[in-house]
Amino acid sequence: GENVEQHPSTLSVQEGDSAVIKCTYSDSASNYFPWYKQELGKGPQLIIDIRSNVGEKKDQRIAVTLNKTAKHFSLHITETQPEDSAVYFCAANSFGSARQLTFGSGTQLTVLP
Amino acid sequence: GAVVSQHPSWVICKSGTSVKIECRSLDFQATTMFWYRQFPKQSLMLMATSNEGSKATYEQGVEKDKFLINHASLTLSTLTVTSAHPEDSSFYICSALGQSSYEQYFGPGTRLTVT
Repeated sequence: GENVEQHPSTLSVQEGDSAVIKCTYSDSASNYFPWYKQELGKGPQLIIDIRSNVGEKKDQRIAVTLNKTAKHFSLHITETQPEDSAVYFCAANSFGSARQLTFGSGTQLTVLP
Repeated sequence: GAVVSQHPSWVICKSGTSVKIECRSLDFQATTMFWYRQFPKQSLMLMATSNEGSKATYEQGVEKDKFLINHASLTLSTLTVTSAHPEDSSFYICSALGQSSYEQYFGPGTRLTVT
């Protein structure tokens, strides 16, 4: 089955700086890679996703890049703000009819004012 | 759009009792919903896949007789934790598969504490 590894586990940045979180996956058949933001005590919120037919996708301050050959994808947050502080999870789908997701271990992002 | 609700948001129950958690897709129909379990400072672990009108598919190591899942309509799935024990205390989160069949939209989660 799919295995997703995520780094770093914790990340502290100064407000206004950029943050980068990286993930690798094992199943070359995976074709959907979402990123979720989870605040304390809440459910994960989909913030951006990318499919394997594109290499990069951007939505305002958030971007995701995908390298299918190397089987890794990254989340980039620019001009970070204190409200970006949360746990971020990457995920990859398991190819098949169930569309299940395998999640990375999470990154605690802290944006220091 | 793509709002998923869960009820209750938190519940405390005594050991040996059963607890039912509801997951609803509010503005879209979801033929497939997923149930996850999350321990503090850990990632989400898939427990089961729930398909409307059919039996749920459980992940390895998840007891189907303990975690009963019912998906009776296109907008509602329920998870019942039967004969709950303190080790069942956790954060239970559901998600619903969007119409594109790729995006999963998550509910706010249910904090279960078994005393």
